[in-house]
Amino acid sequence: KQEVTQIPAALSVPEGENLVLNCSFTDSAIYNLQWFRQDPGKGLTSLLLIQSSQREQTSGRLNASLDKSSGRSTLYIAASQPGDSATYLCAVNSGAGSYQLTFGKGTKLSVIP
Amino acid sequence: DAGVIQSPRHEVTEMGQEVTLRCKPISGHDYLFWYRQTMMRGLELLIYFNNNVPIDDSGMPEDRFSAKMPNASFSTLKIQPSEPRDSAVYFCASRRGQTAEAFFGQGTRLTVV
Repeated sequence: KQEVTQIPAALSVPEGENLVLNCSFTDSAIYNLQWFRQDPGKGLTSLLLIQSSQREQTSGRLNASLDKSSGRSTLYIAASQPGDSATYLCAVNSGAGSYQLTFGKGTKLSVIP
Repeated sequence: DAGVIQSPRHEVTEMGQEVTLRCKPISGHDYLFWYRQTMMRGLELLIYFNNNVPIDDSGMPEDRFSAKMPNASFSTLKIQPSEPRDSAVYFCASRRGQTAEAFFGQGTRLTVV
């Protein structure tokens, strides 16, 4: 059974700092990995989708990397802003014919002005 | 496109009552997922459909929960009878194809008193 872990559970940084969020998964036979953002009381907003054949994806100040063999992904946020404060979740689209998304519990990010 | 639409946004009901949550996926998407989110357990997959057919319902907690997808544009999740431990946020998500990006609705916050 696929398990997804995100460490740390919470992170607080000053505005302008670059930061890295971590995601690890136990079964490397995945189709892809997706990063989401969730604001309090809101739904999940898709940030980046990285397919198993890709090493990284970029969108604006965000860069996601994937090392499938080691079961790890990172989300790099450059020049953080207070508006980046939210919970960031990673989800793995598992392999072996199962196309469901398995989520980590997220990292709650606070960017201090 | 309006995105994934869920209704109601909030539901408060008494223990023992029947609750029906509704979801309209994005047009053209052939995968639909129902998730439950709690502080303790994070996001848990309850059931998912492909082309209106339930594929994996192993996450449905017990027989009190049922889900249907009568057509490509509508799905329901029903709890009967409801219990206080069912209180959570329920999300619906949809996707076009096995490995595409998944999109989430805004969720239904269910409170059972």
